[in-house]
Amino acid sequence: KQEVTQIPAALSVPEGENLVLNCSFTDSAIYNLQWFRQDPGKGLTSLLLIQSSQREQTSGRLNASLDKSSGRSTLYIAASQPGDSATYLCAVRGDSNYQLIWGAGTKLIIKP
Amino acid sequence: GAGVSQSPSNKVTEKGKDVELRCDPISGHTALYWYRQSLGQGLEFLIYFQGNSAPDKSGLPSDRFSAERTGGSVSTLTIQRTQQEDSAVYLCASSLEGSAWRRTTDTQYFGPGTRLTVL
Repeated sequence: KQEVTQIPAALSVPEGENLVLNCSFTDSAIYNLQWFRQDPGKGLTSLLLIQSSQREQTSGRLNASLDKSSGRSTLYIAASQPGDSATYLCAVRGDSNYQLIWGAGTKLIIKP
Repeated sequence: GAGVSQSPSNKVTEKGKDVELRCDPISGHTALYWYRQSLGQGLEFLIYFQGNSAPDKSGLPSDRFSAERTGGSVSTLTIQRTQQEDSAVYLCASSLEGSAWRRTTDTQYFGPGTRLTVL
């Protein structure tokens, strides 16, 4: 059974710092992995999707990497801003089904 | 274009009542998903639709939960005889399908959710 773990559970850093959020999964038979952000009281916004055959994806200040064999993904945020404050969730989709299996999230606070 | 919409945004009901939650996916998206986000339990998958059929219902927690989708568009999630443990935010997502019967290579786009409170 796939399990997704995100470390740390919470992170508070000063504005301008580069930071890394971690996601690990127990079953390497994944189809893709997605990173989302969730703002309080709002829905989920997709940030990046990495197919199992890919190593990384980039969008603006965000870069997500995937090491399927070791069951790890990282989300790198460059030059963090207060507007980046949110909960970041990673989710993996299995190779044989349609479900997204979710991590518990990392709550990120960027201090001005 | 319009995103995924859900209604109502908030629903408060008494234990034992039935509730219906609605999801309007992005136009043209053939895949539709329901998830539930509970305090302390994170997000969990409920059901997946491809068109009007549901190839994967494995996440529905009990037979009190059912869902349907009509016209390949709007979906309704129904919870019968609600219990307090059903209180959660119910999220709907849609995506394009990349092939006829399985998998999407595309991102899932989420609605704002319906917050259900069972008293």
